[in-house]
Amino acid sequence: RKEVEQDPGPFNVPEGATVAFNCTYSNSASQSFFWYRQDCRKEPKLLMSVYSSGNEDGRFTAQLNRASQYISLLIRDSKLSDSATYLCVVNKGNEKLTFGTGTRLTIIP
Amino acid sequence: DTEVTQTPKHLVMGMTNKKSLKCEQHMGHRAMYWYKQKAKKPPELMFVYSYEKLSINESVPSRFSPECPNSSLLNLHLHALQPEDSALYLCASSQGDMNTEAFFGQGTRLTVV
Repeated sequence: RKEVEQDPGPFNVPEGATVAFNCTYSNSASQSFFWYRQDCRKEPKLLMSVYSSGNEDGRFTAQLNRASQYISLLIRDSKLSDSATYLCVVNKGNEKLTFGTGTRLTIIP
Repeated sequence: DTEVTQTPKHLVMGMTNKKSLKCEQHMGHRAMYWYKQKAKKPPELMFVYSYEKLSINESVPSRFSPECPNSSLLNLHLHALQPEDSALYLCASSQGDMNTEAFFGQGTRLTVV
């Protein structure tokens, strides 16, 4: 089993729709969790950190379920500019960030 | 804009060449990373430096040699690479605390011919 698993997609979603991604991790000792987005041929950029209490940033909501070892990302009112690959990232507490395979999202006009 | 700067942005090198990739950050971060990313794959960790000391080497072949001259700089020396080493090489930095995020440079797109 991979350390961090995501559905690779692609997700093709109409503009304005709501889309949700899940990510599961295998190591229960994992300490911190993040969502990054990566545009084609660009570097990964931090979208948001994920806290146990859940957190929201505008149209984006991230949640963590430690008991089930999964992280979710919800995007509301999706925009064309949201088209990207979304990477789930987990830190086990040893400075080693482990990336999921990424979920490719395309927003359709 | 990213506060992690990588040079060069593009590099083409022969299998007998020696070249170096450079990375610089001025955020006062104590951990610096090298990742390798192939097309349509996630970044794969190569090395981690913490407080200027190598803390993680993910069994990377010796033809890749990292160096951390000071807390702001990170180099990756390349020698006798193979065509399959062609990839995007990403540098990142973080505060080094287990709960902090990492920030990435724009990467060096390397082609080995």
